[in-house]
Amino acid sequence: DQQVKQNSPSLSVQEGRISILNCDYTNSMFDYFLWYKKYPAEGPTFLISISSIKDKNEDGRFTVFLNKSAKHLSLHIVPSQPGDSAVYFCAASSYSGAGSYQLTFGKGTKLSVIP
Amino acid sequence: DGGITQSPKYLFRKEGQNVTLSCEQNLNHDAMYWYRQDPGQGLRLIYYSQIVNDFQKGDIAEGYSVSREKKESFPLTVTSAQKNPTAFYLCASSITGTGDNEQYFGPGTRLTVT
Repeated sequence: DQQVKQNSPSLSVQEGRISILNCDYTNSMFDYFLWYKKYPAEGPTFLISISSIKDKNEDGRFTVFLNKSAKHLSLHIVPSQPGDSAVYFCAASSYSGAGSYQLTFGKGTKLSVIP
Repeated sequence: DGGITQSPKYLFRKEGQNVTLSCEQNLNHDAMYWYRQDPGQGLRLIYYSQIVNDFQKGDIAEGYSVSREKKESFPLTVTSAQKNPTAFYLCASSITGTGDNEQYFGPGTRLTVT
């Protein structure tokens, strides 16, 4: 049972336009959500996160929106640049006991920004 | 220059052989993790460790083993019992006890078993 879903395997956007990547989740116990960016044959790098008690977090060109009632979050990239082309993973954090937390990842969305 | 190193980048083994993947971090993080990524799939948790000499199974631990004898090191052994060992393996670390659980990833090891 997939608890974190990224229903769009790929997305193409023109340079300068907005990229919107979506993520849905099913577990109400998730308390943080994170976005990671990954280039081929490299490890993911952290991009931005949001606490479940907030509905928006912004960092430069990247903004994450959280809609708890819909169990939905989205990552907005404005303006999109060719260097943003990568696979973006949505991840959700939950407490797993004894002071530890785990991340549950979606399958990723491959973003292609066309010059 | 702090970070996580994984070696080697590419690893080839014959079926039936055990193989150990290295992961070292100098971030002074208590928690370390191993994930597996297959094409078109997200990252799936194999094992994690919150403290030295202690580790827990993740979602897909069968056919894998780990050790955590030092804070900096968390090697993963892919045993011959793992039915589909060919994959991209990622090691990560984080500060324990924080809900945002930002994990830092190594560059990964691509294991091919034939």
